[in-house]
Amino acid sequence: GDSVTQMEGPVTLSEEAFLTINCTYTATGYPSLFWYVQYPGEGLQLLLKATKADDKGSNKGFEATYRKETTSFHLEKGSVQVSDSAVYFCALINQAGTALIFGKGTTLSVSS
Amino acid sequence: NAGVMQNPRHLVRRRGQEARLRCSPMKGHSHVYWYRQLPEEGLKFMVYLQKENIIDESGMPKERFSAEFPKEGPSILRIQQVVRGDSAAYFCASSPNGDRSYEQYFGPGTRLTVT
Repeated sequence: GDSVTQMEGPVTLSEEAFLTINCTYTATGYPSLFWYVQYPGEGLQLLLKATKADDKGSNKGFEATYRKETTSFHLEKGSVQVSDSAVYFCALINQAGTALIFGKGTTLSVSS
Repeated sequence: NAGVMQNPRHLVRRRGQEARLRCSPMKGHSHVYWYRQLPEEGLKFMVYLQKENIIDESGMPKERFSAEFPKEGPSILRIQQVVRGDSAAYFCASSPNGDRSYEQYFGPGTRLTVT
């Protein structure tokens, strides 16, 4: 079945460091892909999405490119801030369009 | 435009009691999804509903759990005879339609604690 694998955390970085969180997926066809962010005690917020191969999603300095050759959707940011500390979830929509399939989440901690 | 609303935000129940979690989707959204986040695990899909219809309940436990989305009012996730293992954060999401390219908008969650 469909699945998402993302790198284990926690990821600990200093402010202004470069961030990469790896995400790979297994799915039938070419599903839409998403990154969501969850701040402590809150719900999930959509960070960015891509709906087809080679699409690049971007928002608030974060980027991810839909790579069908490597079935990947890695999240990157050139210069992280303390306020980026959160849990990041990679997800895909299943073929039926009825459910998001999530990775286990990666905790990012940024220190000043 | 108000986002997805869930209440209560925190719910404490003793073992054997019933828990009712409510979700009001974003204005104009007619599709509702429920997810559960267990400690140390990611989010798992439970059920997908449209008004008065359950479309996909493949993630719902077979017993004690039920969901509805009536013509009027919020969607309800009901857990009967709660057990400690039901302690989790329950998130509701909504979307304007079932198109696979549309993102789902999440509410703040209800954190259920079973004592």
